[in-house]
Amino acid sequence: DIHMTQSPSSLSASVGDRVTITCRATQSIAMYLNWYQQKPGKAPKVLIYAASNLQSGVPSRFSGSGSGTDFTLTITSLQPEDFATYYCQQSYNNPRTFGQGTKVEI
Amino acid sequence: VQLQQWGTGLLKPSETLSLTCGVSGESFTSYYWTWIRQPPGKGLEWIGDINHTGGTNYNPSLKSRVTISIDTSKNQFSLKLTSLTAADTAVYYCARGRQQWLVYDYWGQGTLVTASS
Repeated sequence: DIHMTQSPSSLSASVGDRVTITCRATQSIAMYLNWYQQKPGKAPKVLIYAASNLQSGVPSRFSGSGSGTDFTLTITSLQPEDFATYYCQQSYNNPRTFGQGTKVEI
Repeated sequence: VQLQQWGTGLLKPSETLSLTCGVSGESFTSYYWTWIRQPPGKGLEWIGDINHTGGTNYNPSLKSRVTISIDTSKNQFSLKLTSLTAADTAVYYCARGRQQWLVYDYWGQGTLVTASS
């Protein structure tokens, strides 16, 4: 299995801050990396697919980059509604695997 | 596109979990119909998926206990997980996976399944 490691596991930030979350795979996954946001009691919501493509309807303050084994999710100018847990997910092969999550707190 | 899931939420250890996900507003072709679970307070675990022809992929860690099936005439797909233990207690989600990048862009509302005596 490909293991996905996110860092940090949690972070504290303020409205307006720039936030960066990293995700590392144990082997190359090319650009088969997706990012999700999850709020308590809700299903995850896709933000970024194929490492850097913004999902339709997602605000442009979210962006993704990377390829191979190292990836980054960046939120420029954090908004109140962005406080949530973020997950990366590789879709390179089976089983699909997720990172352990990064909780963004106030 | 809407995914609406249903099934039994409280089961005893050794029983079989059975969930169904109904899909509206979209054809079954060109997607991977997927089950993902999340234990309370923990991360996401991919269980497996099925395409419109019935081809399946399962997580090896669950493969001996999992069956995913599809009924295209009813626009539904289902999950069975046998021999439940407390470790299977989780919120179970159905989701649609886009074929090209296997990104999950639509999700069901989630069903909490508790395995407890």
